[in-house]
Amino acid sequence: SQKIEQNSEALNIQEGKTATLTCNYTNYSPAYLQWYRQDPGRGPVFLLLIRENEKEKRKERLKVTFDTTLKQSLFHITASQPADSATYLCALDPSDDYKLSFGAGTTVTVRA
Amino acid sequence: EPEVTQTPSHQVTQMGQEVILRCVPISNHLYFYWYRQILGQKVEFLVSFYNNEISEKSEIFDDQFSVERPDGSNFTLKIRSTKLEDSAMYFCASSPGGRSTGELFFGEGSRLTVL
Repeated sequence: SQKIEQNSEALNIQEGKTATLTCNYTNYSPAYLQWYRQDPGRGPVFLLLIRENEKEKRKERLKVTFDTTLKQSLFHITASQPADSATYLCALDPSDDYKLSFGAGTTVTVRA
Repeated sequence: EPEVTQTPSHQVTQMGQEVILRCVPISNHLYFYWYRQILGQKVEFLVSFYNNEISEKSEIFDDQFSVERPDGSNFTLKIRSTKLEDSAMYFCASSPGGRSTGELFFGEGSRLTVL
């Protein structure tokens, strides 16, 4: 069966450090992978999309890598700030038809 | 900045009652979706809608559920004969294009509590 697994534990880091989140998937061959941010009680907010032919993508302090051989994406938040505290969701589209499958998310807490 | 709006933000209903959740997608978007998130669980796909018809639906989206775009702006999710396990946050989303073109824009959700 198809699975998307993210860091199972919450991530607590000191302000200014880099947070690294992992998304592993099995039995998928996605054309692209997305990352979303979700704050408590709110809807997911899109952050980044990376395609299978892209190794790395950056947006401000965010960086995403995509290794289709390892079936893994890494999501980095550099120079983290308390405002980055949220749950980060990895999402795949298994059949390229916008039927996104989400991981359970990793909750990041940045301490001042 | 354009946004997806959902109403109501919270609805409490008795088991067996019908519920309609409403969404106004971003105006120039062509694809519309409903997702749900049971408390503490993953965001789950329910249905996608394009050109006035369902394009994809999940196993969750059975005969109890229906969607409609009654006019040029609203997109609704109807849940007939609600069950306790329908209690969840329901998110509407829209996107300007279809496959592989980019992000989904989510609304803030409608929390449904079935008693």
